[in-house]
Amino acid sequence: EAGVAQSPRYKIIEKRQSVAFWCNPISGHATLYWYQQILGQGPKLLIQFQNNGVVDDSQLPKDRFSAERLKGVDSTLKIQPAKLEDSAVYLCASRTGPTNTEAFFGQGTRLTVV
Amino acid sequence: QKEVEQDPGPLSVPEGAIVSLNCTYSNSAFQYFMWYRQYSRKGPELLMYTYSSGNKEDGRFTAQVDKSSKYISLFIRDSQPSDSATYLCAMKETSGSRLTFGEGTQLTVNP
Repeated sequence: EAGVAQSPRYKIIEKRQSVAFWCNPISGHATLYWYQQILGQGPKLLIQFQNNGVVDDSQLPKDRFSAERLKGVDSTLKIQPAKLEDSAVYLCASRTGPTNTEAFFGQGTRLTVV
Repeated sequence: QKEVEQDPGPLSVPEGAIVSLNCTYSNSAFQYFMWYRQYSRKGPELLMYTYSSGNKEDGRFTAQVDKSSKYISLFIRDSQPSDSATYLCAMKETSGSRLTFGEGTQLTVNP
């Protein structure tokens, strides 16, 4: 079974630039998450999708972050404009449904804002 | 106050040692308790999963949950260099599926 795919693996941008990350979850997984993991910290949920609908985006900084999952499969997370404090690893995870046990994580995209 | 507090580490032990990793939490609605292992530059992977209080054993790993004290632990017996990673505790309420993570403990097992 293929895992959660994310791209790019690494990205370096200047502050105030825009950046987008892509995630392809495990086939058949209806629930998709984006997490932000700052160095030395645990992952923090940014947004949760159930199919193509948003379930929880309470911790998403909506003035600069946006995410979509138009066809209920792939998802993109965008930051516009980026700030220095956005430097982190952005992890995508998926699970079959909203309440079952295991969420599978991708390897993440490491963003450095300079 | 953070909902989940985790011993920061880093923790360095010799091969074969017993390792104890711990988290405390404040949200009494948490019912599902997980331990994730995260190798450097990789995503977290689920290691152990426990519902409510009690113990769960899987090979060299034992997870304990004490809901009365709001305290969970992960024990690793006969630790190996391959266990060197960051260990994250995570918790979830019965309703909803948001995982709340601890900060992570970086463990190094020295051969």
